[in-house]
Amino acid sequence: AQSVTQLGSHVSVSEGALVLLRCNYSSSVPPYLFWYVQYPNQGLQLLLKYTTGATLVKGINGFEAEFKKSETSFHLTKPSAHMSDAAEYFCAVRKSSGDKLTFGTGTRLAVRP
Amino acid sequence: GAGVSQTPSNKVTEKGKYVELRCDPISGHTALYWYRQSLGQGPEFLIYFQGTGAADDSGLPNDRFFAVRPEGSVSTLKIQRTERGDSAVYLCASSLRPGTSDEQYFGPGTRLTVT
Repeated sequence: AQSVTQLGSHVSVSEGALVLLRCNYSSSVPPYLFWYVQYPNQGLQLLLKYTTGATLVKGINGFEAEFKKSETSFHLTKPSAHMSDAAEYFCAVRKSSGDKLTFGTGTRLAVRP
Repeated sequence: GAGVSQTPSNKVTEKGKYVELRCDPISGHTALYWYRQSLGQGPEFLIYFQGTGAADDSGLPNDRFFAVRPEGSVSTLKIQRTERGDSAVYLCASSLRPGTSDEQYFGPGTRLTVT
């Protein structure tokens, strides 16, 4: 079975500050890892994904994440927060041989002016 | 191009009633998924279709929940004898090639409220 833990249900940063959203996973087989963003009253949008290869992956809107197998982590970062980054962020894991996503409980990011 | 669409966007129903939620996937996408998102939680997997058949229905909570995809495109999630605990946002997603790293594209969801 797979699971995802997102530490911090709410994170608040100042505009221009570093964004760090934490994600740890457990998986019995090599995982695919994803970060999704959800704006109010909208569907989930893929920010980035790790499947194989380079462990540092870059996504849309300046976000990136690093797959660290030894730490079973896939933390999301952005060097400088914008007001438009305020949203809910979900980390998800999927078996490389499977199809269904297992999501964390989400982190709501607030950006202070 | 058109994304995944879901109708209705909101549905309010009384406890004990039957509801149907519809999902139109992206044209040509073989795989279709249903997830349920309760307040303050991440989406939880319900069922996954490859073409017309349910490849994995392990997430359906009980036999009141059923889903179909008769022609391999549009899917309908059916809930019988609704309960207040069924209140949630029901999300649909589709992907082009199942069993690959292809992205799942999500619709905006149907917010179901059972009174």
